[in-house]
Amino acid sequence: QVTLKESGPGILQPSQTLSLTCSFSGFSLSTYGMCVGWIRQSSGKGLEWLANIWWNDYKYYNPSLKNRLTISKDTSNNQAFLKITNMDTADTATYYCARNYGGYRLDHWGQGVMVTVSS
Amino acid sequence: DVVLTQTPPTLSATIGQSVSISCRSSQSLLDSDGDTYLNWFLQRPGQSPQLLIYSVSNLESGVPNRFSGSGSETDFTLKISGVEAEDLGVYYCMQVTHAPYTFGAGTKLELK
Repeated sequence: QVTLKESGPGILQPSQTLSLTCSFSGFSLSTYGMCVGWIRQSSGKGLEWLANIWWNDYKYYNPSLKNRLTISKDTSNNQAFLKITNMDTADTATYYCARNYGGYRLDHWGQGVMVTVSS
Repeated sequence: DVVLTQTPPTLSATIGQSVSISCRSSQSLLDSDGDTYLNWFLQRPGQSPQLLIYSVSNLESGVPNRFSGSGSETDFTLKISGVEAEDLGVYYCMQVTHAPYTFGAGTKLELK
């Protein structure tokens, strides 16, 4: 059974760095073709794909946020991570991680973690 | 970026009614490998999106066969043949042919 769960700080102040963790089970990020992605959902911008990390450590970022994003993984502990620098109120959203099977099929999602940016 | 336009924004249906949702892309989603990477999701209230259909017409495991997808290039359709109460929520299309991946704005399915 595939499960994913996001964790994060909940509330941040503007200009701070957001650190998110995706803890998963039921698959391995060392398996050929496997990928984990991060997506966020806000009331203003809907669903927005942020970044992917692949089994071979290839990373791809949404160019609109590329300079602010860093995705990484810890294969041994079945975790993926996302950092977003210089957070702004516009980054207030629910952040999801999802298994991206083969890179084209977001077939399992976490429950999401709500992040609020406020001074 | 590829823009996906979903219509209608809201859909009212009775239980048992068949409905369709359209997703139009600003450019062809046919990939150079010959596949077309257009997916459909349902997000029920308070839940995460759930994959229904991948690569235009492939039913995800565990999804009822009253859901079906069709289309090509820039025009795609999700059909529900006989709406059930558990189908209520917001439907999204998403393309993964062109980076960055993009989503439609959603179609809310509600009871009439």
